[in-house]
Amino acid sequence: DTGVSQDPRHKITKRGQNVTFRCDPISEHNRLYWYRQTLGQGPEFLTYFQNEAQLEKSRLLSDRFSAERPKGSFSTLEIQRTEQGDSAMYLCASSLHRDRAMNTEAFFGQGTRLTVV
Amino acid sequence: AQSVAQPEDQVNVAEGNPLTVKCTYSVSGNPYLFWYVQYPNRGLQFLLKYITGDNLVKGSYGFEAEFNKSQTSFHLKKPSALVSDSALYFCAVEGDSSYKLIFGSGTRLLVRP
Repeated sequence: DTGVSQDPRHKITKRGQNVTFRCDPISEHNRLYWYRQTLGQGPEFLTYFQNEAQLEKSRLLSDRFSAERPKGSFSTLEIQRTEQGDSAMYLCASSLHRDRAMNTEAFFGQGTRLTVV
Repeated sequence: AQSVAQPEDQVNVAEGNPLTVKCTYSVSGNPYLFWYVQYPNRGLQFLLKYITGDNLVKGSYGFEAEFNKSQTSFHLKKPSALVSDSALYFCAVEGDSSYKLIFGSGTRLLVRP
């Protein structure tokens, strides 16, 4: 058990609907990451936060995607107007950032599997 | 641009034999390199990392990896494979100026009894 929790574990939605996923990181971790993994591929970076600040977003993160970490603790990832191409596993990870050599590795949650029908 | 290549989609070994899963990388500056393992319907579990220092890094479950700067490689190894090692293995690099991980496409390890 890595300590990163994601909810829900599975989500089936109809095309065009909005979905929201939640991630609870390890409590003392100040960095939180979102990745997307499709079948047969490695995870692709979407975005990351340090505390409540969103510091980087991938160009993969279209304007239908939005992520928040309002109090520097849990985070949500919302996808609006879902498309079949959004079907994937969405992974959340957290780490403790101090200085680069002292950072912990990223700990991953079990993911939310999204199926858009 | 940063990238990671895992040239083998699948590696097959017999239990008790040594295993190697290959990884090469391309990144500017000093790389931080990682190996993660993924079991079915699970998230990624950290195995080991290279930051600096000794080129041979030891990690969880008896795995180790060798950093080779001249060949830009970071191959994962284990002296004696177990059937329970069968899983999907990902190599990743964290670039010098970015804290995100860039993953390879993964290598499926199958250890036969």
